[in-house]
Amino acid sequence: NAGVTQTPKFRILKIGQSMTLQCTQDMNHNYMYWYRQDPGMGLKLIYYSVGAGITDKGEVPNGYNVSRSTTEDFPLRLELAAPSQTSVYFCASSRDLSGNTIYFGEGSWLTVV
Amino acid sequence: TQLLEQSPQFLSIQEGENLTVYCNSSSVFSSLQWYRQEPGEGPVLLVTVVTGGEVKKLKRLTFQFGDARKDSSLHITAAQPGDTGLYLCAGFLWSNDYKLSFGAGTTVTVRA
Repeated sequence: NAGVTQTPKFRILKIGQSMTLQCTQDMNHNYMYWYRQDPGMGLKLIYYSVGAGITDKGEVPNGYNVSRSTTEDFPLRLELAAPSQTSVYFCASSRDLSGNTIYFGEGSWLTVV
Repeated sequence: TQLLEQSPQFLSIQEGENLTVYCNSSSVFSSLQWYRQEPGEGPVLLVTVVTGGEVKKLKRLTFQFGDARKDSSLHITAAQPGDTGLYLCAGFLWSNDYKLSFGAGTTVTVRA
């Protein structure tokens, strides 16, 4: 059971570099999310998607972009990385709305130096 | 400012003791969830509470949703070292069902 798979697990970026965090799910879920988790701050929603071709901003979208060309994949793009983007990133998916289980990936640790 | 405030932030207890973690908000939630997260992993859903006043039990864990749907608590009876982890509450607002808001979490350590 693969569930939600994120890559890479760890990455060090230099300031100004760009990269893409990959996320794929094999549960045929319509809803997908990207969160970041900082110490003592809980998880903050960056972007979400309610289906292929549809994306929208969450609480903290600045400095990020997403796309959803297929149901399975929801990559997160960091443009011009900044130290403030040092964090742990989690991709997640769910079948539909509130009350349903949200499945999280194992996380991607990103450090910007 | 966190939409959901969790307390305490840290909790360290001896095996066999009981503990309670609180999750409070000034907002009303359509449902509220509790997650446990272990180091190096993503959060894993423990329970979803939907009805005000609802109490759910999961083995030694008891979850309660406040009557006004603004708060919740997690009580662990006879804690074991395997209960160690970060406990997160998360709620869906009436107006934004697909945007789950998380509390900052309570780090629980159970010493053998």
